[in-house]
Amino acid sequence: GAVVSQHPSWVICKSGTSVKIECRSLDFQATTMFWYRQFPKQSLMLMATSNEGSKATYEQGVEKDKFLINHASLTLSTLTVTSAHPEDSSFYICSARYRTPPLYEQYFGPGTRLTVT
Amino acid sequence: GESVGLHLPTLSVQEGDNSIINCAYSNSASDYFIWYKQESGKGPQFIIDIRSNMDKRQGQRVTVLLNKTVKHLSLQIAATQPGDSAVYFCAETIASGGYNKLIFGAGTRLAVHP
Repeated sequence: GAVVSQHPSWVICKSGTSVKIECRSLDFQATTMFWYRQFPKQSLMLMATSNEGSKATYEQGVEKDKFLINHASLTLSTLTVTSAHPEDSSFYICSARYRTPPLYEQYFGPGTRLTVT
Repeated sequence: GESVGLHLPTLSVQEGDNSIINCAYSNSASDYFIWYKQESGKGPQFIIDIRSNMDKRQGQRVTVLLNKTVKHLSLQIAATQPGDSAVYFCAETIASGGYNKLIFGAGTRLAVHP
């Protein structure tokens, strides 16, 4: 159990276009989902936290107008990178937290590799 | 976003030896810690966790030690195998704005040689 999926697993887009990444909790309901970004040979950096039905909370330095997050249901959150640029190329990873206790259990998706040309 | 360090040190060990991976965390108020394993191109995989009211926890072939005095965590892997080769991250839970978020450490690459 506790599987988190992401779609697509990789995507290539042209500079200036937007791309949407989906994160789904397949067998549990997640009140909270988190989006991380990871550059090569670096750690995961938390971008934002999204709670179902409310606005996402962004970490300092993350542009909320560029990285649009929608948490439409207890099993789906989306991250849209708007007007993508080559520096947005990265590995984007989502995670989902159980709705019910233990509150700390958090499961990660397989990641989405974004390349902006 | 928050982060701890931008380098990725490497620990090289011989197959069969024990590995010890260290991590320094930042927030003295953190009360829950997790070790993750990440293979190339994949998401983090849970290994073992520990709460701040403990100083040691054991799993299968893995042990986590917590020293709150110096804000230090370690992951010990017994009889390291080639399949253990990956990047290992510690993560701490930080309370912020009414919810908890996981903040990752810098990571250590473990290379297991036959």
